[in-house]
Amino acid sequence: EDQVTQSPEALRLQEGESSSLNCSYTVSGLRGLFWYRQDPGKGPEFLFTLYSAGEEKEKERLKATLTKKESFLHITAPKPEDSATYLCAVQAASSNTGKLIFGQGTTLQVKP
Amino acid sequence: DAGITQSPRHKVTETGTPVTLRCHQTENHRYMYWYRQDPGHGLRLIHYSYGVKDTDKGEVSDGYSVSRSKTEDFLLTLESATSSQTSVYFCAISEPRGGQETQYFGPGTRLLVL
Repeated sequence: EDQVTQSPEALRLQEGESSSLNCSYTVSGLRGLFWYRQDPGKGPEFLFTLYSAGEEKEKERLKATLTKKESFLHITAPKPEDSATYLCAVQAASSNTGKLIFGQGTTLQVKP
Repeated sequence: DAGITQSPRHKVTETGTPVTLRCHQTENHRYMYWYRQDPGHGLRLIHYSYGVKDTDKGEVSDGYSVSRSKTEDFLLTLESATSSQTSVYFCAISEPRGGQETQYFGPGTRLLVL
C-alpha cells in the first residue's frame, strides 16, 4: 500500500536555528514527490516537486532533497514567517490521474 | 494563483440535510479534485474529474457525489450530511509544470454538520 509518513508532527525552533523535516514514503514507483506549505485557515501552497533520488531544489531558506525512501525539507536560519504546516505528498508512477497521497504534515513554529 | 475559488467558505448545517460545495476555476484546467482535511488524517482524496462529465472515486468517496457539467465548475454534494462529514474541504486543479502535473489548491470550505 502506498504510504507517506512525516516526522516530527510538530517542531519548535528559535529564529535562526536550522533544522530538517522528514518525509518517508513507500510507493510502487515514484512519479513525483511534492512539498506544500499550509498556513492556518488557508489552502496548501505549492513549494517543490522532486522526481528522482539525488535531486535537490531550493527556495529562499528552504531546500528539499530526495532519496529512494525519503525526502528532507531543510530550513536554514528560519524566521517567524516560516511558521506553518509543511505537507509532503507522493504521486505513484502508476497514476495517470494526478492522484496524490499526503502525509499528515509537520507543524513548524519559529519563535523570535 | 491558479484562479480557484470555493463557495461557500463556511457552512453550518444539520444532520440529514443535503449540501453542495462549489469549486470554480478560470483557467480551463482539465483535472479537478476534491479533498477533505481532518486532524490525524491529513488530506484525503474524495473524488476527481478528468474532464466534463468524467469523474471517478477517490479513497473516501462514500456519502459524496460529484458533478462536472462545465470545465470551470466541479460540484461536491453530500446527499444527506452526517457529523462525520464535518471537515475542511479543498478543491484542487492540476496544471502542467516542468513535465509534471502539479496540483494547486483553493482556499477551502469549512463545513460543520450538527
